[in-house]
Amino acid sequence: EDQVTQSPEALRLQEGESSSLNCSYTVSGLRGLFWYRQDPGKGPEFLFTLYSAGEEKEKERLKATLTKKESFLHITAPKPEDSATYLCAVRLVSGSEKLVFGKGTKLTVNP
Amino acid sequence: NAGVMQNPRHLVRRRGQEARLRCSPMKGHSHVYWYRQLPEEGLKFMVYLQKENIIDESGMPKERFSAEFPKEGPSILRIQQVVRGDSAAYFCASSPADHSGQYFGAGTRLSVL
Repeated sequence: EDQVTQSPEALRLQEGESSSLNCSYTVSGLRGLFWYRQDPGKGPEFLFTLYSAGEEKEKERLKATLTKKESFLHITAPKPEDSATYLCAVRLVSGSEKLVFGKGTKLTVNP
Repeated sequence: NAGVMQNPRHLVRRRGQEARLRCSPMKGHSHVYWYRQLPEEGLKFMVYLQKENIIDESGMPKERFSAEFPKEGPSILRIQQVVRGDSAAYFCASSPADHSGQYFGAGTRLSVL
């Protein structure tokens, strides 16, 4: 069965304390890995799409990387406004354009 | 540059009533997806539509749920004879033709009393 697992479930950081979030996947074939940010009571906000192992993308303090089994979202010198739940999703080779989501990592950055 | 628009934002229904959720995709997007998010659970795919066609409904319950995306107007997710277990946040997303990303609306939070 296709699975997406995110770890840790929750992470507390001090402002400026860099860290990484993990998204591991067990799927029959990957056709894109997506990262989203979701604030309470709002819809997911699109961050990145990664397509192949070795690919990296950056946006402000965030950098996403992809290997054959997992993806990392690196957060450099986070600020309190980076507090949110970060979601990872995969699009499979088999099937339509639907995304399979992990349960997310809830990040809290304390000032 | 309006994003994906969903309405209503909040919807309260009694058991047995019908719920209609609306979604207008981003300008230029012709692909629409519906997902459901239950408390403490991840987003679950329900249905994928293009204009006037259902492409993939593998995540949608066979009973009581239906979706459409007409030639004119928004996409509609319809839930007939709602039950308490239907209470959830329902999100719509749209994508451009190259499927480079799915862009989500703010969601409709359905509460069934």
